[in-house]
Amino acid sequence: NAGVTQTPKFQVLKTGQSMTLQCAQDMNHEYMSWYRQDPGMGLRLIHYSVGAGITDQGEVPNGYNVSRSTTEDFPLRLLSAAPSQTSVYFCASSYLGANYGYTFGSGTRLTVV
Amino acid sequence: KQEVTQIPAALSVPEGENLVLNCSFTDSAIYNLQWFRQDPGKGLTSLLLIQSSQREQTSGRLNASLDKSSGRSTLYIAASQPGDSATYLCAPWSSGSARQLTFGSGTQLTVLP
Repeated sequence: NAGVTQTPKFQVLKTGQSMTLQCAQDMNHEYMSWYRQDPGMGLRLIHYSVGAGITDQGEVPNGYNVSRSTTEDFPLRLLSAAPSQTSVYFCASSYLGANYGYTFGSGTRLTVV
Repeated sequence: KQEVTQIPAALSVPEGENLVLNCSFTDSAIYNLQWFRQDPGKGLTSLLLIQSSQREQTSGRLNASLDKSSGRSTLYIAASQPGDSATYLCAPWSSGSARQLTFGSGTQLTVLP
């Protein structure tokens, strides 16, 4: 199994540009989520989804948009990139039951200049 | 709001030692708790999942305990090896649909050959 696949691995954007970070999982997980990791702040939840067609906001949703049209894919859109969005972004997925842990992707390192 | 503290922040030990990494969290109303390791520039790898009804979980040389009432979890690493060098993160899950993981800053472990 490929697990959770994130693309691209690295990206540099100019302020004001938009882009989509891709996340795909092949484990048939119902739950998918996006985190950002910043030095000294740990990982923080941006958006999450409990199934196709259902999304909700996490702790730091401003400036980001998500959709979930299929079980496998959960893209994260930056609407108008700002330097404060420079971070490492991780996608994570899991089954909804209590017996299953999270699987993380390898991350996308984003720099906004 | 859930807060997670991990002690020590950094640890450097010779190969072969048994280690104890501590995690404390402020809100005991958690769903589960998961331990991860993160290698530099990489994603998070799941080590152990402890469900809220469990008190400990074991995998190979790793053993994690959970005391919800006191807001503490401990990760024991037996017979440490240089390949164990990484940052170790504990993440309690919130209850509710968000299933949010809250991360601390982690313990950066270096095992010297």
